[in-house]
Amino acid sequence: AQSVSQHNHHVILSEAASLELGCNYSYGGTVNLFWYVQYPGQHLQLLLKYFSGDPLVKGIKGFEAEFIKSKFSFNLRKPSVQWSDTAEYFCAVRGNYQLIWGAGTKLIIKP
Amino acid sequence: NAGVTQTPKFQVLKTGQSMTLQCAQDMNHNSMYWYRQDPGMGLRLIYYSASEGTTDKGEVPNGYNVSRLNKREFSLRLESAAPSQTSVYFCASSEALLGDSQPQHFGDGTRLSIL
Repeated sequence: AQSVSQHNHHVILSEAASLELGCNYSYGGTVNLFWYVQYPGQHLQLLLKYFSGDPLVKGIKGFEAEFIKSKFSFNLRKPSVQWSDTAEYFCAVRGNYQLIWGAGTKLIIKP
Repeated sequence: NAGVTQTPKFQVLKTGQSMTLQCAQDMNHNSMYWYRQDPGMGLRLIYYSASEGTTDKGEVPNGYNVSRLNKREFSLRLESAAPSQTSVYFCASSEALLGDSQPQHFGDGTRLSIL
């Protein structure tokens, strides 16, 4: 069955700390992966995406993610977080006709 | 830069009442989607419309109906609301159905409570 697992439902960090949010997927077809972010009171927006090529993908606001095929993972990273990164982050994999979503990780950055 | 517009933003209903959530996009996208978001469960697809004139069931269609009124608009109807339908509903659109790996653009969501 197709599925996406995000390991941490809640993460609390201090400003300037490094971030890594885990995402593992289960899907047998061509893999297209996404990270979306939902800032408080705002709609979901695309952070970055992987379709093919370089497995290290750079997105907006200093975020990056690495596709590791052997581990079925697409972890999101940022070297130094800011208070404004407080948001909920969703990993998704493209299925046959829809995006298959993880449950989300709420990230809180303490100033 | 309206993107995807959903109305209303908030709604409280009593069990058994009906209502329609409206969604419109101004990006000339072919495909549109309705999701519900519940705590700890991510987004689940209710219905989608690959193109104008077509609609298909997603993962959780029971209790809902949809209408793709034209290329811009895609409405979601609850005929007889139930407490289990309390959720946040998101409309989204993309240039083409996800077989082409298009990213989706989302509306601001509708918070719906069923008492």
